[in-house]
Amino acid sequence: AQTVTQSQPEMSVQEAETVTLSCTYDTSESNYYLFWYKQPPSRQMILVIRQEAYKQQNATENRFSVNFQKAAKSFSLKISDSQLGDTAMYFCAFMKRIAGNEKLTFGTGTRLTIIP
Amino acid sequence: DAGVTQSPTHLIKTRGQQVTLRCSPKSGHDTVSWYQQALGQGPQFIFQYYEEEERQRGNFPDRFSGHQFPNYSSELNVNALLLGDSALYLCASSSGSGYTFGSGTRLTVV
Repeated sequence: AQTVTQSQPEMSVQEAETVTLSCTYDTSESNYYLFWYKQPPSRQMILVIRQEAYKQQNATENRFSVNFQKAAKSFSLKISDSQLGDTAMYFCAFMKRIAGNEKLTFGTGTRLTIIP
Repeated sequence: DAGVTQSPTHLIKTRGQQVTLRCSPKSGHDTVSWYQQALGQGPQFIFQYYEEEERQRGNFPDRFSGHQFPNYSSELNVNALLLGDSALYLCASSSGSGYTFGSGTRLTVV
């Protein structure tokens, strides 16, 4: 079974600063996806960024980037130039890369607050 | 393009009752998954439906059941509600190219 661990229950940072959220996972699979999702007060899970385990290059999406360390089973999210709209719960998630399997395993989340 | 629609948005039920939650997937998506998110926790996978059949199931009791209709919409049924079933229930649809989540149904059991 896969497990995802987020060790930072809460974080806060000043607007325009950079913040890094941590995530570690445990799996015996070699082929998988990793995700960061954002959940604002509206409750909808919004995909922030996706990483495919077979790709060595770290994924980036505008101000969001990841540091994927496959051997260490670590997958951190860096948010640059943080904005007030980034305030939300952030969840790290894992999915096996197997046809017909689309089950996500989530961590417990990190509550991020951006301070004006 | 409509995303994933869930109904109702909020619901209050009494312990022992039964509840049905509904989900309409995003256009073009044929797979529906249900998650339970307790307060302060990450979502937990309940089950997934594809071609009107349950394809995968998480560690939830048989009180939790579901259905998928020919138009890919889905229902989640919970029987004999317990106080511990109080949670946000999220539906997600997919087609192999990515998940889209709905905004959830907040179920409160009193």
